[in-house]
Amino acid sequence: SQTIHQWPATLVQPVGSPLSLECTVEGTSNPNLYWYRQAAGRGLQLLFYSVGIGQISSEVPQNLSASRPQDRQFILSSKKLLLSDSGFYLCAWRQRQGGTEAFFGQGTRLTVV
Amino acid sequence: GIQVEQSPPDLILQEGANSTLRCNFSDSVNNLQWFHQNPWGQLINLFYIPSGTKQNGRLSATTVATERYSLLYISSSQTTDSGVYFCAVPVRGSARQLTFGSGTQLTVLP
Repeated sequence: SQTIHQWPATLVQPVGSPLSLECTVEGTSNPNLYWYRQAAGRGLQLLFYSVGIGQISSEVPQNLSASRPQDRQFILSSKKLLLSDSGFYLCAWRQRQGGTEAFFGQGTRLTVV
Repeated sequence: GIQVEQSPPDLILQEGANSTLRCNFSDSVNNLQWFHQNPWGQLINLFYIPSGTKQNGRLSATTVATERYSLLYISSSQTTDSGVYFCAVPVRGSARQLTFGSGTQLTVLP
């Protein structure tokens, strides 16, 4: 069966420090991968998605970047964190072919201080 | 892009009560998902329901794609049902990324 792992679960970082969040999927190949952010409140905003190795699309301009160095690995990064980067970050995957459902990781709660 | 609206935004129930959550979307879709976000933030898949009705225990969902809405029914609610319920639909294209509604915050009181 397929599983998705995301770490760390929580992170407190000072303003100006770098960031690296990692997400890996097991039990499938060629997945579509996604990074979402949930700010205080409710809505989930799509940040990045990837349909293949090295292929990254950004939905909104921001201080973050994403990379996909391997088929089942998706990394969210920043060179210098801002206070506004605080939030709950969720990684997700779905099979590339067919209208299949998406599955989410457990999330990373990032607090920038 | 497609718009997804959920109602009500907040709902408070006594344990044992039934409820209906609604999700409206602005364009035709070929699938729809319902999620429950638990107190730890994890998104739990409830239903993948492009059309028709599905049931899983005390929960059921109905999607009427031609009228662009979906309903989530919770019967005999329990305190563990508390949390935020989201519906989400995919954007057309190869990535099929999900667009989420703003969610319904459900609180079930003992």
